[in-house]
Amino acid sequence: QSVLTQPPSASGTPGQRVTISCSGSSTSIGSNTVNWYQQLPGTAPKLLIYSSNERPSGVPDRFSGSKSGTSASLAISGLQSEDEADYYCATWEDSLNGWVFGGGTKLTVL
Amino acid sequence: QVQLVESGGGVVQPGRSLRLSCAASGFTFSRHAMHWVRQAPGKGLEWVAIISHDGSNKYYADSVKGRFTISRDNSKNTLYVQMNSLKTEDTAVYYCARDVRDIVVVASYMDVWGKGTTVTVSS
Repeated sequence: QSVLTQPPSASGTPGQRVTISCSGSSTSIGSNTVNWYQQLPGTAPKLLIYSSNERPSGVPDRFSGSKSGTSASLAISGLQSEDEADYYCATWEDSLNGWVFGGGTKLTVL
Repeated sequence: QVQLVESGGGVVQPGRSLRLSCAASGFTFSRHAMHWVRQAPGKGLEWVAIISHDGSNKYYADSVKGRFTISRDNSKNTLYVQMNSLKTEDTAVYYCARDVRDIVVVASYMDVWGKGTTVTVSS
């Protein structure tokens, strides 16, 4: 049972906009910034969004992040087939004194 | 180029020990905190531990506290995790990841990941 709750799956057609939610608590997302990671099939995770809404260089601006209260969201616009992957949110959990990940969301491009 | 390469994985019996290594190259290793993150077969990511740039601060997930020890040798640009009293539920791919900061701070992130090494705990 993850401290951060994500929907197990999401889907969309090419060109569509999809959002993936990440729900936490006052001691996790409510107190700290959120990072998002993309894991393509059979590969290591890759940083997608940091500090809740910042994109590392090289990440397309189709990807955006936001945070409000104890929840965060990842939005992907102009969906492409190569976006099919698992997406994880992560943040520091004050009560555990450690990092926590969401359970992950498998994105399918129909 | 910036690279992290994990090694040391394998098959081990429950209750035994294993040490994983992560060799860093392409950046100043001693300027970054480092993490271990694992992923059980077909499951999500689970953070395991973090160590500050100089090894002075370490934090662990409750699931491994008291059994795993994270350490580093900055002279060898290498991160380690000593895993004792292994359980079947420790079976996973273990990734090392670089933290963008040198010290352990909450407002940070893992910006570089290795490809992982597989640990299988089975009798």
